[in-house]
Amino acid sequence: AQKITQTQPGMFVQEKEAVTLDCTYDTSDQSYGLFWYKQPSSGEMIFLIYQGSYDEQNATEGRYSLNFQKARKSANLVISASQLGDSAMYFCAMREGRGETSGSRLTFGEGTQLTVNP
Amino acid sequence: EAGVTQFPSHSVIEKGQTVTLRCDPISGHDNLYWYRRVMGKEIKFLLHFVKESKQDESGMPNNRFLAERTGGTYSTLKVQPAELEDSGVYFCASSTNEDYYNEQFFGPGTRLTVL
Repeated sequence: AQKITQTQPGMFVQEKEAVTLDCTYDTSDQSYGLFWYKQPSSGEMIFLIYQGSYDEQNATEGRYSLNFQKARKSANLVISASQLGDSAMYFCAMREGRGETSGSRLTFGEGTQLTVNP
Repeated sequence: EAGVTQFPSHSVIEKGQTVTLRCDPISGHDNLYWYRRVMGKEIKFLLHFVKESKQDESGMPNNRFLAERTGGTYSTLKVQPAELEDSGVYFCASSTNEDYYNEQFFGPGTRLTVL
């Protein structure tokens, strides 16, 4: 069963506007971490933001914030004041609790291609 | 501090040939991971090293793939013989430990094209 679901293959946003990229996840672990990565056309994977399952407040990093709704198992990325340089592929990923062989790997969604229009 | 590096950045080979990808993790990172993204698909886990030991290789697609990590430093991923479906981007990542809250730092990837 797919553990990370990103339902938006592509998203468009006007420069300076905010955009929300959706991510839902599935896990039976109580301890887990959720990550967002950005992959520009150059190909590298850039870490953006992290949310832990026990964190009570939504994570924020500059223009990035994570809308964490634990009961709904969603971890949407919000980018405020979009810039042209934000155009990239965005991946949501999860890392489950330590102790199991699958507990160390990242599980990724299929990604959302964001295009920021001038 | 240098990040995760990967070599080569691109590789184009013919079906049946052998290719070896290299990853140098961040110094001091005991945990090293290989992932790959086949065109249009999600990024998938291949295997995980802790120092020189394979902790989890459940994601390796078949026995044409061989990963090693000599002395717990750099790692190589060999594909022999390469098939068309092996084309994609191969990422390496490293982290200090296996805790779920610990960030994995990614390398720039190796784009493999099998013709």
